Amino acid sequence: DVKVTQSSRYLVKRTGEKVFLECVQDMDHENMFWYRQDPGLGLRLIYFSYDVKMKEKGDIPEGYSVSREKKERFSLILESASTNQTSMYLCASSLTSGASGTDTQYFGPGTRLTVL
Amino acid sequence: KNQVEQSPQSLIILEGKNCTLQCNYTVSPFSNLRWYKQDTGRGPVSLTIMTFSENTKSNGRYTATLDADTKQSSLHITASQLSDSASYICVVSDRGSTLGRLYFGRGTQLTVWP
Repeated sequence: DVKVTQSSRYLVKRTGEKVFLECVQDMDHENMFWYRQDPGLGLRLIYFSYDVKMKEKGDIPEGYSVSREKKERFSLILESASTNQTSMYLCASSLTSGASGTDTQYFGPGTRLTVL
Repeated sequence: KNQVEQSPQSLIILEGKNCTLQCNYTVSPFSNLRWYKQDTGRGPVSLTIMTFSENTKSNGRYTATLDADTKQSSLHITASQLSDSASYICVVSDRGSTLGRLYFGRGTQLTVWP
C-alpha cells in the first residue's frame, strides 16, 4: 500500500514565524503535491513537483515556497506565517506524469495548522 | 472555465438507506473522473476512477456512473452504514497538461444516522 506521511497532525504557530511542513512518500512516486483545504472552498493546489528539484506553482502559491531535494520528500515552507494561512494542509503523491492523467493521487493524513 | 460542481452540499440519511450524490463538470479536454471519500480529520481516499469510455464503476457498496456527453457523474451508495459518514469529493482530470491537472469539487458532506 502507498503510504504518504506528514510530519505533524496539528501545529500551532505565531504570526511571522517560519513554518516547515514535511511530507514523505514511500512508493517512489515522481509527482508530489501540496494542497490546502478550507471549509466551503474544497482543495486548492499550492505547489507541485514532478521531479527532484523541480517545482511548479499551483493556484495559490503566494506566501508559500517548496523544496524537493529527495524524491520521497516534499516540504512546504511558510516564510512568514499569517493568520489567513490557518488551514488544513494536505500532501499527495502520484506515480507517473503523462497525458493519460489516470494516476491516482494518494493523500497524507493532513496537518491542521493554526496561526495565532 | 474548468469547474466541478457537486450537489447536494450536505445530506442526512438513515442507516440502511440508499443515496445518490451528483457531480457536474465543465473540464475540457476531459481525461478521467474520480470520487474520493474523506473522513473527518483525514486525507481523501480514492473510491473509483472512470475514463471517457467507462460509464459505470463499482467498489463494494459504492457505484459511480459517468455520462461524458452531458458531463455528469453520480455516486450511489447502497445500504448505507454509519462509517459512510464523510465528505465525498468529485475530482476531474484534464488532458491539457502533461501532469493531468486535477479540478476538485467542494464535496458533499454525508451524515448517516442510526
